[in-house]
Amino acid sequence: IQLTQSPSSLSASVGDRVTITCRASQGISTLLAWYQKNPGKAPKLLIYDASTLQSGVPSRFSGGGSGTHFTLTITSLQPEDFAAYYCQQLYDYPITFGQGTRLEIE
Amino acid sequence: EVQLVESGGGLVQPGGSLGLSCAVSGFNFGDYGMAWVRQAPGKGLEWVANIKQDENDKFYVDSVRGRFSISRDNAKNSLYLHMSSLRVEDTAVYYCARVAFRGYDFWGQGTLVTVSS
Repeated sequence: IQLTQSPSSLSASVGDRVTITCRASQGISTLLAWYQKNPGKAPKLLIYDASTLQSGVPSRFSGGGSGTHFTLTITSLQPEDFAAYYCQQLYDYPITFGQGTRLEIE
Repeated sequence: EVQLVESGGGLVQPGGSLGLSCAVSGFNFGDYGMAWVRQAPGKGLEWVANIKQDENDKFYVDSVRGRFSISRDNAKNSLYLHMSSLRVEDTAVYYCARVAFRGYDFWGQGTLVTVSS
C-alpha cells in the first residue's frame, strides 16, 4: 500500500494553521497514524486510528479521514512544531510510511 | 518510565553482518509486538520488520527478507535484529519501537549502521 503525502514541504509562520494530506493507494479504513520527526530525535506518535490524539500531544494537532484520504491539521503553529511529519498505514504488511512533509518556518 | 535503548550499530563492510539489540524497560515486554524502523541519511522513515508478542509471527520489508532476522527474548526484555549480506543502501539509523494498538507509541533513540568499504 503506497502512501502519498502532500505537500512534500511547507513554509508557514508561528500562529498559522496548516494541513497535510496523506492518500493511500487502496482503502485502509482508519488504520493510519501520524508521526513528528525532528533531526537526531526519535519519531513521536501524534495521532493513531486516523483521528485519536495520542496521550500528551497538544490539542492543536488533529487528524481526520478514512479509506484513502487522510489529513493532519495543526492549528496555531508553535516554534516546536517545525519538523518533519509522516503518515503510516497499519492496515496490511508491509507496513508503509508516506515520504514525509517538511514543515519549515517562513 | 518506558525506555528503549538500541545498541550494536557501527561500520561494516558490504557483505558483512551486524547484530542490533534493543533493551526495554518500564512495561511488560511480553505483552507487546515490537518493530524495527530505519531512516537512511536524508531520507524518510522505512519500516523494516515486526515481531508479534509470542515470536511466532515475523514480518519483513521485501528489501531485507532473507538477509535480516528479527527475534526477541521476553525473559531478557530484549529485541534483536540480525543483519547479514549488508548493502550500502542499508546504511541508516535503526530505531526499535513498541507496537501499540494502532501505532508505534514508544521509540528508542536509534543506532547508526554504516555499510561502507
